[in-house]
Amino acid sequence: EVQLLESGGGLVQPGESLRLSCAASGFSFVSYGMTWVRQAPGKGLDWVSSISEGGGSIHYADSVKGRFTISRDNSKNTVYLEMSSLRADDTATYYCANVGHAFDVWGQGTVVTVSS
Amino acid sequence: RVMTQFPANLSVSPGDTATLSCRASLSIATNLAWYQQKPGQSPRLLLYGASVRVTGVPARFSGSGSGTEFTLTIRSLQPEDFAVYYCQQYNNWPRTFGQGTKVEI
Repeated sequence: EVQLLESGGGLVQPGESLRLSCAASGFSFVSYGMTWVRQAPGKGLDWVSSISEGGGSIHYADSVKGRFTISRDNSKNTVYLEMSSLRADDTATYYCANVGHAFDVWGQGTVVTVSS
Repeated sequence: RVMTQFPANLSVSPGDTATLSCRASLSIATNLAWYQQKPGQSPRLLLYGASVRVTGVPARFSGSGSGTEFTLTIRSLQPEDFAVYYCQQYNNWPRTFGQGTKVEI
């Protein structure tokens, strides 16, 4: 069974940093691109970043470019999202998903709250 | 690519047919996916390629369209189908979602 398990969320103050992790199992991790999507409370889905199978192709939403860094460790079947200079409008549930046909399987999400 | 979904809310009865629309600001060929999200749950991929159902998705869900106009049709609505549905284009970067259509009783 394909499983994605996010972790690392929490409450931080504006300007602080946080690293999210997404541990994958049940599929050939090295064969899939991975993506992060967030959802602010009561709002819709907002694509954040994607990384290719080998990590050589990376894309970011303009809203996070220069502040967030996506990476992956294929030896650990894990994708990361390093977030810095966090702002109140980064408050959201962050989901990781594997990229097959589209965003095929999603994790349960991890909540990030940015507040003073 | 801006993705626009309409209506924002759709009130239907069990057994009815729901028709959800999604429009792209520029052509995305058939590089469109539909997701279902129930309260408190993660999104679930229903269809990709505008019309290809994911394994396990009931046949009452169907998708159509290409270019800029797309439709998700849910026939004979079941109680478990009441949810929010999002379209998403994966033709261009940045990947973009529609704002969602809430299908409610």
